[in-house]
Amino acid sequence: GENVEQHPSTLSVQEGDSAVIKCTYSDSASNYFPWYKQELGKGPQLIIDIRSNVGEKKDQRIAVTLNKTAKHFSLHITETQPEDSAVYFCAASIDYQLIWGAGTKLIIKP
Amino acid sequence: KAGVTQTPRYLIKTRGQQVTLSCSPISGHRSVSWYQQTPGQGLQFLFEYFSETQRNKGNFPGRFSGRQFSNSRSEMNVSTLELGDSALYLCASSLDRYNEQFFGPGTRLTVL
Repeated sequence: GENVEQHPSTLSVQEGDSAVIKCTYSDSASNYFPWYKQELGKGPQLIIDIRSNVGEKKDQRIAVTLNKTAKHFSLHITETQPEDSAVYFCAASIDYQLIWGAGTKLIIKP
Repeated sequence: KAGVTQTPRYLIKTRGQQVTLSCSPISGHRSVSWYQQTPGQGLQFLFEYFSETQRNKGNFPGRFSGRQFSNSRSEMNVSTLELGDSALYLCASSLDRYNEQFFGPGTRLTVL
């Protein structure tokens, strides 16, 4: 079945710098790749997603890139701010079921 | 519009007991999915319900079950609790399976 690996597990960056989180998936039939942000005490919230027919998508300071050949996709956050501190999850959808990465704890240092 | 609500928020049980968790989806959402979240494991898919029918099921033992009512509210039940069932149980609702999922705050279950 589908497997999603996410790296790194923890990422610490200086406020204002960029952060990149990478995920790889195993099943080439996966066609939808969302990214969720989870803050302490809350459920995950969708921040950006991409479908398999698109290579890149941007929304203000966040962007997602997809390389179908290599079966990996990445989340890019530019000009990081304190409120970006959270756990980020990637996921891949196959047969309408989301398979999730293990999460990345993003720490923004002042 | 009210978000997804889950009750109770916290629960402490002992091994061998059973537990029922409740989820009220966003009004108009007919798809409800349940996930188990444990530290370092990400979210593990339990099952998905749509119009009172289970459409998809993850790789969990039969002790985990669920149902959905005509008003789209959903419950999940875990029987014969084990220590390893301690986790955050998240419910997510969506208009349908190919739409964005909106998550509730979760129910923190501790099994002693």
